Amino acid sequence: GQQLNQSPQSMFIQEGEDVSMNCTSSSIFNTWLWYKQDPGEGPVLLIALYKAGELTSNGRLTAQFGITRKDSFLNISASIPSDVGIYFCAGLDSAGGTSYGKLTFGQGTILTVHP
Amino acid sequence: NAGVMQNPRHLVRRRGQEARLRCSPMKGHSHVYWYRQLPEEGLKFMVYLQKENIIDESGMPKERFSAEFPKEGPSILRIQQVVRGDSAAYFCASSLSGRVRNEQFFGPGTRLTVL
Repeated sequence: GQQLNQSPQSMFIQEGEDVSMNCTSSSIFNTWLWYKQDPGEGPVLLIALYKAGELTSNGRLTAQFGITRKDSFLNISASIPSDVGIYFCAGLDSAGGTSYGKLTFGQGTILTVHP
Repeated sequence: NAGVMQNPRHLVRRRGQEARLRCSPMKGHSHVYWYRQLPEEGLKFMVYLQKENIIDESGMPKERFSAEFPKEGPSILRIQQVVRGDSAAYFCASSLSGRVRNEQFFGPGTRLTVL
């Protein structure tokens, strides 16, 4: 089945630093989504990407949909303590097959921000 | 505008009992998805439903698990004769569309503990 490899697994940074994480896949996705999950809560959608090559920003967050449609990255600039959490990439195959509603998730990147 | 609602938030069952997890999608959303998350892992797709129809159940175990999304009322994920390995967080998501620009919004999850 489809798999997403997300890296790094964890990051420890100082407040104010920039952060970068990425996801790669062995197969093509037509949509990439980035989520953040706080302890004991559900994932919250941060950014959605729909076109290969697309670069989208949401405040201090920037994400790109790779040209090959097999990868995506997320950058967080000027990190703050409330950025702490687990970040997940997710790919959606919306090509019209039977699995077009199914999100495939990466393993997550645990972000710790030291004040 | 209420988001996706799930109840209960925590559920404790003994081995052999039944677990019923409920999910009310966001207002106007008719597509519902169930995912399971084991500790320190990403979410794994289980089933995708649209009102009264199962669209994709490829991620759901063939035995003991069932899901429904009736015309009226919440979606229900039912686990019969629970075993310790069923202990996990179960998340429901909903979307407006099942295809293009399928942004899935997640509920807070139900944490199931099987004793």
